[in-house]
Amino acid sequence: GENVEQHPSTLSVQEGDSAVIKCTYSDSASNYFPWYKQELGKGPQLIIDIRSNVGEKKDQRIAVTLNKTAKHFSLHITETQPEDSAVYFCAASTEGQNFVFGPGTRLSVLP
Amino acid sequence: EAGVAQSPRYKIIEKRQSVAFWCNPISGHATLYWYQQILGQGPKLLIQFQNNGVVDDSQLPKDRFSAERLKGVDSTLKIQPAKLEDSAVYLCASSLPGGTQGTQYFGPGTRLTVL
Repeated sequence: GENVEQHPSTLSVQEGDSAVIKCTYSDSASNYFPWYKQELGKGPQLIIDIRSNVGEKKDQRIAVTLNKTAKHFSLHITETQPEDSAVYFCAASTEGQNFVFGPGTRLSVLP
Repeated sequence: EAGVAQSPRYKIIEKRQSVAFWCNPISGHATLYWYQQILGQGPKLLIQFQNNGVVDDSQLPKDRFSAERLKGVDSTLKIQPAKLEDSAVYLCASSLPGGTQGTQYFGPGTRLTVL
């Protein structure tokens, strides 16, 4: 089955700096890769996603890149703000099924 | 648009007892998911429904866990009997159907503590 790894497990950055979180997956059939932000006591919230026919997608300060050959995808957050502090999860899915999540990255943005 | 509703928000039981969780998905969302999230880990998919049919339950511990989605709307997840290792947050999510179009919307979760 699919296996998703995520690094780093914790990340601290200064406000205004960029943050990068990387994930790798094992199943070449995976074709949908969402990223979620989870704040304390809440369910995960989708922040951006990418499908296998696209190499990069951007939404304001957030971008995701996908390298299908290497089976890895990355989340990039620019101009970080204290409210970006949360746990971030990547996930991989095949045709909207078999969702597998990474172990998470705790991001702290220091003022 | 109302989000995914879950109840209860918190539940404390002793091992070997039974417990049930309820989920009401976003109106019109045909796909419903139950996840288990152990503290410090990512969510793990337990079961996925399309309307009232099961799409994937490969990681559901069927000897003690059961789930149903009658009438293709609300769903319940039951654990009987509970074990200490079942302590976790149980998340419900819903999405529109349609292959890779399935953006998931999560509820707030039910935090289960088994003593």
